[in-house]
Amino acid sequence: GNSVTQMEGPVTLSEEAFLTINCTYTATGYPSLFWYVQYPGEGLQLLLKATKADDKGSNKGFEATYRKETTSFHLEKGSVQVSDSAVYFCALSPPSGGSYIPTFGRGTSLIVHP
Amino acid sequence: EAGVTQSPTHLIKTRGQQATLRCSPISGHTSVYWYQQALGLGLQFLLWYDEGEERNRGNFPPRFSGRQFPNYSSELNVNALELEDSALYLCASSLRAGGYTEAFFGQGTRLTVV
Repeated sequence: GNSVTQMEGPVTLSEEAFLTINCTYTATGYPSLFWYVQYPGEGLQLLLKATKADDKGSNKGFEATYRKETTSFHLEKGSVQVSDSAVYFCALSPPSGGSYIPTFGRGTSLIVHP
Repeated sequence: EAGVTQSPTHLIKTRGQQATLRCSPISGHTSVYWYQQALGLGLQFLLWYDEGEERNRGNFPPRFSGRQFPNYSSELNVNALELEDSALYLCASSLRAGGYTEAFFGQGTRLTVV
C-alpha cells in the first residue's frame, strides 16, 4: 500500500536558520505530493504541492521538489521565522485508479527560537 | 467561499457513551475523509465517503461508523466510547477522489472521553 515516511521531530532551530524536513514515499504509480502545516489548535492547511516528477512546489518561502528517482519530497526553507513554528505533514494523493485516500506522514514538529 | 466546517469544536463524553461529529465540505466537493489525530500518532485514516457511499475504511473497529448525506455533508459516529478515543478528529473534503486535487481540512473536533 501507499505510505509516507517523515523525519522524526522535534526540529529545533534558531531564527534565520536553514530548514530541511525529509520525506520519502512509497506508492503505486505517480502520486501527487503535498506538504501541509498545522498551527497549534488548528486543522491542516495546504502549504505546497507537486503533481509530477521534477515539479517544484513553493509557497511562503518554502520549497519542495518531486524526486521520482529517490521517491522523495523534502521540504526546505532558507531562513525560518518564529512564526513558522508548527507541525508539518508530508502527504500523497494516489493517481486515479488507486485507492484515492490521501496518505499522511506522522508529522514533524518545528520549533523556531528567536 | 466557506471552507470545511466541523461541529462541535469540542466534545466531552463519558466512557461508554456515543459521540456524533459533523462535517460540511466545501461546496461542490463530493469526497469526504475522516482522520483521527491522537497525540503523537499523526493522522490515522478512518473513513472515506464519496457520492453518498462509504468507499473505504481504515483499521478501526466497527463502533466507528458514519454516513454521507445527499448534500455531501457527513457524520462520524463513535459508539461505546473508550478513553483512548480521545483525540482530534479531522474532516477533509476534495473536489474529486484521487488525482491531483488536494484535500482541504476543517478545524477539527476535539473529543475528550472521561
